[in-house]
Amino acid sequence: QSALTQPASVSGSPGQSITISCTGTSSDVGAYNYVSWYQQHPGKAPQLMIYDVSKRPSGISDRFSGSKSGNTASLIISGLQAEDEADYYCSSYTRSSTWVFGGGTKLTVL
Amino acid sequence: EVQLVESGGGLVQPGGSLRLSCAASGFTFSNYEMNWVRQAPGKGLEWVSYIDSRGSTIFYADSVKGRFTISRDNSKNSLYLQMNSLRAEDTAVYYCARPNPNSGGWRAFDYWGQGTLVTVSS
Repeated sequence: QSALTQPASVSGSPGQSITISCTGTSSDVGAYNYVSWYQQHPGKAPQLMIYDVSKRPSGISDRFSGSKSGNTASLIISGLQAEDEADYYCSSYTRSSTWVFGGGTKLTVL
Repeated sequence: EVQLVESGGGLVQPGGSLRLSCAASGFTFSNYEMNWVRQAPGKGLEWVSYIDSRGSTIFYADSVKGRFTISRDNSKNSLYLQMNSLRAEDTAVYYCARPNPNSGGWRAFDYWGQGTLVTVSS
């Protein structure tokens, strides 16, 4: 199972919006609406930010949103803040009853 | 409060074995499927294995199939990962992860442990 494709890095200034893409195949991202996004700060465990493509867990800011079109999902962070600087990973359930993660994107807040 | 606490990591030689444990609390463990996810140093996340709530349905990543065995003991609120024939590429922090019951198919992980480091080296 190949990893989902994410940009290695993205950056933005405080207050701006950024988008992180996540490209898979018709066997994973395109197969189900089971794409999730995780934020990970250095030395910490991942934190769920978005599930089922566009839903936010309780306590997650509405500055975080998700979408999907075909085999590509996207995480949008609006009103960028310094504390948003972290690594972000997408994940998808697959037709093989397994999960696949993206390679990760390092977000830098300038 | 939901808590997942992994243990059992350490240094092991190539070809060796190790058993990881994950102690769960703060929720009805026997109602939940569980997963192991790993992260090699400086690398991304990799899903490793899944087990359903009763231990009757199990899946593995191709990279560990035939070498790793996932199991659980609901009476002890514990999840396990038996790792055999370990290789250098198995070096990683291993996390146990609980699925989000609000997800339509329970296909996202809302609680993670702090992780336990496994180092495979001679």
